[in-house]
Amino acid sequence: GAGVSQSPSNKVTEKGKDVELRCDPISGHTALYWYRQSLGQGLEFLIYFQGNSAPDKSGLPSDRFSAERTGGSVSTLTIQRTQQEDSAVYLCASSPPGLATDTQYFGPGTRLTVL
Amino acid sequence: GDSVTQMEGPVTLSEEAFLTINCTYTATGYPSLFWYVQYPGEGLQLLLKATKADDKGSNKGFEATYRKETTSFHLEKGSVQVSDSAVYFCALSDPPGTYKYIFGTGTRLKVLA
Repeated sequence: GAGVSQSPSNKVTEKGKDVELRCDPISGHTALYWYRQSLGQGLEFLIYFQGNSAPDKSGLPSDRFSAERTGGSVSTLTIQRTQQEDSAVYLCASSPPGLATDTQYFGPGTRLTVL
Repeated sequence: GDSVTQMEGPVTLSEEAFLTINCTYTATGYPSLFWYVQYPGEGLQLLLKATKADDKGSNKGFEATYRKETTSFHLEKGSVQVSDSAVYFCALSDPPGTYKYIFGTGTRLKVLA
């Protein structure tokens, strides 16, 4: 079946502009995660959604970052007033209900470049 | 805080060579340990995992043993193939089953024919 999809695959923007990154999780998966991978760094947790519960936003690096998940499915990560240090690959993952969240299914990522 | 350290790459091997990618961790609790693999142009995929000391995770010819005494989870494969060329990430979840993985920086493996 279809995996986690993300769009766009690449995004180039100018400093100060806002960007929106989209994630479509696997159908039926209730948990959704956003990570950031900067050059030479490991994956950094950003935010976690589980069903209708309040999201865990503890990993968001600043108030310029926000995310929402509509209808328990598609999620959008928004970065306002982008800075050059926001340049990274943004990864989305999802996991199914009733399963230990040990297994996360990742999308291919969105590569964001802020000029 | 918790952390994962894995050997820097790139690692370049000839086909059929033996592979070891080192991974060590620090954790306040008793974590679950994972190896993820990212093939070119694809998302990360779970390769194997182990949840308690001395457990051996294995998949596709890869193995890793949870060594609590040395806080290590080294990835090994006896005979690599060109198709194993990818980036490999070591990760932990602490406490186990939590959604906040801690990832290493990744090790790029290139296997030459």
